[in-house]
Amino acid sequence: AQTVTQSQPEMSVQEAETVTLSCTYDTSESDYYLFWYKQPPSRQMILVIRQEAYKQQNATENRFSVNFQKAAKSFSLKISDSQLGDAAMYFCAYRSSYGGATNKLIFGTGTLLAVQP
Amino acid sequence: DAGVIQSPRHEVTEMGQEVTLRCKPISGHNSLFWYRQTMMRGLELLIYFNNNVPIDDSGMPEDRFSAKMPNASFSTLKIQPSEPRDSAVYFCASSLELARDTQYFGPGTRLTVL
Repeated sequence: AQTVTQSQPEMSVQEAETVTLSCTYDTSESDYYLFWYKQPPSRQMILVIRQEAYKQQNATENRFSVNFQKAAKSFSLKISDSQLGDAAMYFCAYRSSYGGATNKLIFGTGTLLAVQP
Repeated sequence: DAGVIQSPRHEVTEMGQEVTLRCKPISGHNSLFWYRQTMMRGLELLIYFNNNVPIDDSGMPEDRFSAKMPNASFSTLKIQPSEPRDSAVYFCASSLELARDTQYFGPGTRLTVL
């Protein structure tokens, strides 16, 4: 069974600085998807970034980028120029690409990010 | 475009009462997912549908939980009778296709069972 581990329960960053959130996963599959979702106090789950395992190039979305290391099964999120609005719980998630009963997202336990002004 | 819509946003009920949560997926999306979030168990999938058909309900905790999708634009999650341990945030998510596509989440329903 696949698992997702986020070893940092809480992180803090100064406004305008850069922070990296860690995520590791375990799978025997070769094709899958990885996601970072953001959950602000409003509870809404917001997609931040998505990575397909078959792509070697790391995904980027404006100030958000990932460091995807497939062999190491690592998928970290880098937030550059942190803003107060980035403060939220961040979840790393895994999804198989093979369909069937494996369509569910498997979430890590989350990292609570605080942004200090 | 409207995102996934859930109602109600908050629900407070007493133990033993029936609770119905509602979800409207993004128009054109063929797959719909119900998740539950608790402090103890994190985010877990309860059930998902593809083209209105339930595909996997292995995450439904017990027979008190049931879900339906009578058409492509509406789904319900029902708990009868409700218990205090059902208190959680329930999310609905939809995706364009079952496999290989991103799931977009609704705002969630915070359920409190007294």
